[in-house]
Amino acid sequence: GAGVSQSPRYKVAKRGQDVALRCDPISGHVSLFWYQQALGQGPEFLTYFQNEAQLDKSGLPSDRFFAERPEGSVSTLKIQRTQQEDSAVYLCASSFSPETQYFGPGTRLLVL
Amino acid sequence: GENVEQHPSTLSVQEGDSAVIKCTYSDSASNYFPWYKQELGKRPQLIIDIRSNVGEKKDQRIAVTLNKTAKHFSLHITETQPEDSAVYFCAASMGGGGADGLTFGKGTHLIIQP
Repeated sequence: GAGVSQSPRYKVAKRGQDVALRCDPISGHVSLFWYQQALGQGPEFLTYFQNEAQLDKSGLPSDRFFAERPEGSVSTLKIQRTQQEDSAVYLCASSFSPETQYFGPGTRLLVL
Repeated sequence: GENVEQHPSTLSVQEGDSAVIKCTYSDSASNYFPWYKQELGKRPQLIIDIRSNVGEKKDQRIAVTLNKTAKHFSLHITETQPEDSAVYFCAASMGGGGADGLTFGKGTHLIIQP
């Protein structure tokens, strides 16, 4: 079946622009996670949804980062007033069973 | 919060030999430990995982061991093949209904020499 999909796959933004990154989880997966992966590093947790409820946003680096999942399926990660340090790959993962997370291909964000 | 340390950062082995990657974690409440393989520019792919009520798990050429007392777990790959070359990440979480994000190690770049 279809895996987790993300769009766009690549995004170039000028510093100060707002960006929106989309995640389509595997159908039926109630849990959805966002991670940030800097070059040469492991993914770092940003936020977690169970259905439409955002249960943990402790990893969001600043109030410029905002995530939503209004209907409990598709999720959007929004970054306002992008900075160069926001350049990274943003990974989405979804889960049905208690722990097993399946990752999407990521969105590579470059802020100039 | 949880902290996961992973060693080595780079591992080069001859094709056919075994490879071992080790991780330690800090939070004794963690009870779920997956391993992901990530090829360049690709998504992380789950290759094996272990829960805290199990000490060892095998899947063909891959095995994972867990020592809860020492708070460390290891990935073992036997009879390595060129397609095993990738970056491997260990991770830990408290699981519990999927209500916990994963904390990852910094990764091990595994190089299989032909």
